[in-house]
Amino acid sequence: DGGITQSPKYLFRKEGQNVTLSCEQNLNHDAMYWYRQDPGQGLRLIYYSQIVNDFQKGDIAEGYSVSREKKESFPLTVTSAQKNPTAFYLCASSPPGAGGPFGSTDTQYFGPGTRLTVL
Amino acid sequence: RKEVEQDPGPFNVPEGATVAFNCTYSNSASQSFFWYRQDCRKEPKLLMSVYSSGNEDGRFTAQLNRASQYISLLIRDSKLSDSATYLCVVNRLNSGYSTLTFGKGTMLLVSP
Repeated sequence: DGGITQSPKYLFRKEGQNVTLSCEQNLNHDAMYWYRQDPGQGLRLIYYSQIVNDFQKGDIAEGYSVSREKKESFPLTVTSAQKNPTAFYLCASSPPGAGGPFGSTDTQYFGPGTRLTVL
Repeated sequence: RKEVEQDPGPFNVPEGATVAFNCTYSNSASQSFFWYRQDCRKEPKLLMSVYSSGNEDGRFTAQLNRASQYISLLIRDSKLSDSATYLCVVNRLNSGYSTLTFGKGTMLLVSP
C-alpha cells in the first residue's frame, strides 16, 4: 500500500533531550513538509523540501533541523533549543505535477502524525 | 489581516441541514485553494480543491471569489459523519517556492 508513515504515534521525552521524528513515503513524491499543530491552532510550517539534498525553513524553523538524504525520507529533529516542543507534528508530501516551480503540485497529503510530549 | 481567516464555530446543525462556511485570505497572488477536513486528533485530509468556476463533489460545493478574496464551502444534506473541523487552505509564494497556509478551521457538529 502506498502512503506516508510517521513513527512513533506518541513520543515522550524529557526536557533538554533532542528527539527525531520519522517520516517516510513510498508515493514517489518529490516535495515533503513538516508542520506542527497546537490545540485550537492552525498548522504552522516548520521545514520543507522540494528535492533530495535541499530544504528550506518555514515559518517556525527555530529549534528544529531536518535532512533529506533520500527521496522517501524526511526526518525532523526537535532540539533542546525549541522552547515549547509539545505539539502534534504532521508530515506531508506533494505528488509530481506542473503546479509548482520544482514540478510538484500544491496538493499535500498527510501522514497520521506524531504527538510529542516533553515532560 | 490574517493570511487565512475562518470562523472557528462550532456550527451545530441537525442531520439533513445545509451549512455554509466562509474563509477570507489576504494574499491576492494566491493561485491554489483547498478545503481539508480534520477529524479530532487525526491528520487533515483533502476534501476538495477550489476552482474559480466553482466546483461540486456530491453534497459539497466550493466557490472562489478572487475579487473579494473569499472562499466558501457548502454542505448539503448533512450527515453525522460530516462532523469535523474544516480547514481553508491557500498557497503563497516565498522566493519562488509555493507553500500552503492553513486556516485554524471551522468546527462542524451534526446532531441526530
